[in-house]
Amino acid sequence: NAGVTQTPKFQVLKTGQSMTLQCAQDMNHEYMSWYRQDPGMGLRLIHYSVGAGITDQGEVPNGYNVSRSTTEDFPLRLLSAAPSQTSVYFCASSYSPRGYGYTFGSGTRLTVV
Amino acid sequence: GQQLNQSPQSMFIQEGEDVSMNCTSSSIFNTWLWYKQDPGEGPVLLIALYKAGELTSNGRLTAQFGITRKDSFLNISASIPSDVGIYFCAGQGNYGGSQGNLIFGKGTKLSVKP
Repeated sequence: NAGVTQTPKFQVLKTGQSMTLQCAQDMNHEYMSWYRQDPGMGLRLIHYSVGAGITDQGEVPNGYNVSRSTTEDFPLRLLSAAPSQTSVYFCASSYSPRGYGYTFGSGTRLTVV
Repeated sequence: GQQLNQSPQSMFIQEGEDVSMNCTSSSIFNTWLWYKQDPGEGPVLLIALYKAGELTSNGRLTAQFGITRKDSFLNISASIPSDVGIYFCAGQGNYGGSQGNLIFGKGTKLSVKP
């Protein structure tokens, strides 16, 4: 099983550019979420989805958009990148709303210059 | 919003030593989780706790869900070099909806004593 696959692994953007971080899971999980990790800040929730067609905001949603057209995919879009969005981004999925079911991807390291 | 205070922020270990870390919250949680993150990887679940007072072990790791439901601790016994990494606690409120999302502590970084 591939689990949760995130692409790309690394990305450098210029301020104002847009891009999409991809996340795919092959475990038929209903719950998917995006976190960002900054030094000394732990992981903070950006957006989450409880199923195809349903998304909602987390703690730090500004500057990010998501959609969930299929169970497998949950892309994160940066419409106009800013240096403050320099971070490591993690996608996670879960078969259950209970926390033990969360599987994390290996992350995308994004630098905005 | 809810916040988790995780301590210590960092610590150095010598092989064979026992290690303790804890998390406290201003809110109660229904689930406490402990994750470990290795460099360049995503967090991996170590232990999950579901009931106040619960004490659970996973090999050399032991974690407890505090009686007040506002705290949890993780102990690592007889540490080994591969224990280095960042350990996160995470709390979860009600299952489902926004309260089902995980709230993470800021992490405890374990390093080897020089």
